[in-house]
Amino acid sequence: DTGVSQNPRHKITKRGQNVTFRCDPISEHNRLYWYRQTLGQGPEFLTYFQNEAQLEKSRLLSDRFSAERPKGSFSTLEIQRTEQGDSAMYLCASSEDRAVQTQYFGPGTRLLVL
Amino acid sequence: AQTVTQSQPEMSVQEAETVTLSCTYDTSENNYYLFWYKQPPSRQMILVIRQEAYKQQNATENRFSVNFQKAAKSFSLKISDSQLGDTAMYFCAFYGSGGSNYKLTFGKGTLLTVNP
Repeated sequence: DTGVSQNPRHKITKRGQNVTFRCDPISEHNRLYWYRQTLGQGPEFLTYFQNEAQLEKSRLLSDRFSAERPKGSFSTLEIQRTEQGDSAMYLCASSEDRAVQTQYFGPGTRLLVL
Repeated sequence: AQTVTQSQPEMSVQEAETVTLSCTYDTSENNYYLFWYKQPPSRQMILVIRQEAYKQQNATENRFSVNFQKAAKSFSLKISDSQLGDTAMYFCAFYGSGGSNYKLTFGKGTLLTVNP
């Protein structure tokens, strides 16, 4: 297993366009998380899946954001009508389905909205 | 809501020396977990060390150890025999076992530079 992978690693888009990011968690990890990290800040929680169920969404996740995890495997995060304020690193993490497990992070997708 | 504060935006240390990074947190929970993650330049975040709040013994992982003071809500990271590869952003993170038991709450990070 090579760990959590994310694609693309970098994305440049124009304001108003839609973008979609993909995360492939460590196999057999039932829990999957999305975080956003802006320059000079620590990651901030966006949303959480247990298998295919999206169990929690942060207030940071506006209506323009949607995340899915079909079949409880990979996950996608879509941002519609991107804004310059969406520019950030989007991190995905996964963990085993136990009470407390270490979250393993992917390399992230860096988004720049022009 | 939990908060995590890292009061040192940047620190530097000479190779082979020891450095301590500070972290304080605020929570009303009694059972929780604390983590230090390392994020090297342009590389992904990796776990350095983890501490369960119910354990009095401080966690250690090779050159990395913590000083966990539950009453003071303090969780510092000590790096001994610093190496050039330790240069990275270090994030302190909180994981609650109560209502927020699905996410990590991070501090703003400390940029550590190890100088040759």
